[in-house]
Amino acid sequence: QVQLQESGPGLVKPSETLSLTCTVSGGSMSDYYWTWIRQPAGKGLEWIGRIYSSGDTNYNPSLKSRVTMSLDTSKNHFSLRLTSVTAADAALYYCARDPDGSGYDDYWGQGTLVTVSS
Amino acid sequence: QSVLTQPPSVSGAPGQRVTISCTGSSSNIGAGYDVHWYQQLPGTAPKLLIYDNINRPSGIPDRFSGSRSGTSASLAITGLQAEDEADYHCQSYDSRLGGFVVFGGGTKLAVL
Repeated sequence: QVQLQESGPGLVKPSETLSLTCTVSGGSMSDYYWTWIRQPAGKGLEWIGRIYSSGDTNYNPSLKSRVTMSLDTSKNHFSLRLTSVTAADAALYYCARDPDGSGYDDYWGQGTLVTVSS
Repeated sequence: QSVLTQPPSVSGAPGQRVTISCTGSSSNIGAGYDVHWYQQLPGTAPKLLIYDNINRPSGIPDRFSGSRSGTSASLAITGLQAEDEADYHCQSYDSRLGGFVVFGGGTKLAVL
């Protein structure tokens, strides 16, 4: 059974960089897309972007200028960096697996809460 | 403002049938891109409910069904149960700006 676990600082200062890692267990990262999605408190889901096992990326145009995703299949993890954060970036951040690139995610992490505050 | 539009809330009594709509445009659902649905129980991560418009992952009861037509899609839940009370999210792909995945704003289902 594939499991995903997000990790990273729960508190980030405004204008600084948010960095999160998702560790994948129970399966290979090869030949899959790996996704980041966030959910502000009380709101809907927002797709941040995805990275294929080859390293190819696809980002949400609204966040593209601030987002970088990377992965290390040998360590079974992938990462998210979001620069110049503001209060609008505070959310529950999920990592997930897209099995075939059609956009749906079949396995999700439990989510990690990120607060933006000085 | 979500790219896909869902009603904020729907409700139904136990045993009834409810539907949740997801309305898009010519750059996403109307362009033929598949629609997927998730169930999010309170305090938990979303769970894949329907993928590629009509398909259920293993373990999802056949009380849940999906459909797509034109620029819209729908999720139907029959034989409503108290445990179905949750948020439901639709998802698709949008071809603008190089292409990206989009979600609806989510619909809260109340079982009366």
